[in-house]
Amino acid sequence: SQKIEQNSEALNIQEGKTATLTCNYTNYSPAYLQWYRQDPGRGPVFLLLIRENEKEKRKERLKVTFDTTLKQSLFHITASQPADSATYLCALDDYNFNKFYFGSGTKLNVKP
Amino acid sequence: DGGITQSPKYLFRKEGQNVTLSCEQNLNHDAMYWYRQDPGQGLRLIYYSQIVNDFQKGDIAEGYSVSREKKESFPLTVTSAQKNPTAFYLCASSIGPVGDAGVEAFFGQGTRLTVV
Repeated sequence: SQKIEQNSEALNIQEGKTATLTCNYTNYSPAYLQWYRQDPGRGPVFLLLIRENEKEKRKERLKVTFDTTLKQSLFHITASQPADSATYLCALDDYNFNKFYFGSGTKLNVKP
Repeated sequence: DGGITQSPKYLFRKEGQNVTLSCEQNLNHDAMYWYRQDPGQGLRLIYYSQIVNDFQKGDIAEGYSVSREKKESFPLTVTSAQKNPTAFYLCASSIGPVGDAGVEAFFGQGTRLTVV
């Protein structure tokens, strides 16, 4: 069956450190992988998109990698700040069916 | 300001009643989606529409209905047939179908539905 797995346990880190979140998927062949941020009681907000032929993408303090062999994406936030505390969702496209599929998200807590 | 608006933010429904959640976008997007989010679970797709007057069932469409009479609007009706409707409902839109050049989804602020 198809799965998108993100660590359900919250990630707690100290301010200034690098946060690394993982997204693993099975039985998908996505052309793109996306990361979203969701704050409590609000809708997700798009952060980054990486294509299957890109190994790495950066935007300010964010970095995403995409390994189609391992079927895994890593999402890094460098020099993390308490304002980065939120739930981060990965999403895959299903090119054949024109849908987005989302993982359940990992909650990040950045402590001052 | 362009965006996607869901209303109401909170909704209470008695068992056996139908209720309609509103979703309006002024982004001129062709595609719209409804997702349901439960604690500890990912967003699950209820219905999606790629064009006016056309929509498809998602993975959990039972007990829900939608219409797409206007490009800007994609209301979701939660019917009495939905056995466990209490959840956080999210509406999203994208400029085109998912397969087009890696489009991103824009989300509304969500409607929290509670059955009382």
